[in-house]
Amino acid sequence: AQKITQTQPGMFVQEKEAVTLDCTYDTSDQSYGLFWYKQPSSGEMIFLIYQGSYDEQNATEGRYSLNFQKARKSANLVISASQLGDSAMYFCAMRADQTGANNLFFGTGTRLTVIP
Amino acid sequence: EAGVVQSPRYKIIEKKQPVAFWCNPISGHNTLYWYLQNLGQGPELLIRYENEEAVDDSQLPKDRFSAERLKGVDSTLKIQPAELGDSAVYLCASSKKITGELFFGEGSRLTVL
Repeated sequence: AQKITQTQPGMFVQEKEAVTLDCTYDTSDQSYGLFWYKQPSSGEMIFLIYQGSYDEQNATEGRYSLNFQKARKSANLVISASQLGDSAMYFCAMRADQTGANNLFFGTGTRLTVIP
Repeated sequence: EAGVVQSPRYKIIEKKQPVAFWCNPISGHNTLYWYLQNLGQGPELLIRYENEEAVDDSQLPKDRFSAERLKGVDSTLKIQPAELGDSAVYLCASSKKITGELFFGEGSRLTVL
């Protein structure tokens, strides 16, 4: 079975500072993908970044980077130079290609608040 | 390119009433998902379609929930009859390929009184 754990219900960060949102996962599959989504108050889930289990380098997309530590089964999201618009819910998700049947499973989320 | 479109955005009904949600995925996206999101939780998969075929509906409560995706494009999710515990946001998502990222609509927020 797939499991995604986000242990931080809420996080605060000062504007322009960096913040790390934690995510650990559990799967017996060798091939899987890890995703981060942002959900602002409008409700839409916005894709941020993706990391494949066989990718050797950490994924980066603009101010977002994914700190992938395969042995520890962690996939933390790092947001650099936080902006007020970054205030939202952030969800870590995993797709396991075999036992997960390619479905996307989500964690419970972390609410990030950026303080001016 | 238009995103995933869902309607209605908000729906308030009394328990035991039926309700239906509609989703129009991004053009060319063969895979369509319906997710349920309870307040303060992450989305949970209800059903996944590959074209017209429901390839995973193991989490869909089939006694009251039904879904269809005619012609492999638009999809409808129905609840009949609705219960108080069905109050949630129903999210539709689509992807171009099975391993691709999911694009979500804004969701349909259901309140059952």
